[in-house]
Amino acid sequence: EAGVAQSPRYKIIEKRQSVAFWCNPISGHATLYWYQQILGQGPKLLIQFQNNGVVDDSQLPKDRFSAERLKGVDSTLKIQPAKLEDSAVYLCASRDTRGSTDTQYFGPGTRLTVL
Amino acid sequence: QKEVEQDPGPLSVPEGAIVSLNCTYSNSAFQYFMWYRQYSRKGPELLMYTYSSGNKEDGRFTAQVDKSSKYISLFIRDSQPSDSATYLCAGTSGNTPLVFGKGTRLSVIA
Repeated sequence: EAGVAQSPRYKIIEKRQSVAFWCNPISGHATLYWYQQILGQGPKLLIQFQNNGVVDDSQLPKDRFSAERLKGVDSTLKIQPAKLEDSAVYLCASRDTRGSTDTQYFGPGTRLTVL
Repeated sequence: QKEVEQDPGPLSVPEGAIVSLNCTYSNSAFQYFMWYRQYSRKGPELLMYTYSSGNKEDGRFTAQVDKSSKYISLFIRDSQPSDSATYLCAGTSGNTPLVFGKGTRLSVIA
């Protein structure tokens, strides 16, 4: 079974620029999450999708961050404009809600550096 | 007070030692507790999953939850250099997002 794919793996931009991250979840997983992990911290949920609908985006800074999951499969997370404090690893995770497990499977992440 | 507190370490132990990793949490609604392992430049991977209080064992790993004291533990027996990673604890009520601790960085020295 292929894992969660993310691209790019690394991105360096200057503040006020825009950036987009892509995630392809495990096939058949209806639930998709985007997390932000700042160095030395645990992952913090930004947004949760169930199929192509948003379940929870309460911690997403909506003035600069946006996310979509068209067709309930792939997802993109965008930051516009970026700030220095957005430097972090952005993790995508997916979960199969058909079974009894609550296991979230994480991708390798995109490491963003904002200069 | 953060919902999940975890000592960031780093923790350095010799190969073969028993490792004890701990977290405390403040949200009484938490019912499900997880331990994730995160290698450098990789995403977290689920190691142990526990519902409510009690112990769960899987090979060299034992997860323990004490809901009365809001204390979560992970024990690693016969630790190996390949266990060197950051260990993240997390809790949830089941229909709320996972709340992670900061992670404890573990080094097992050969």
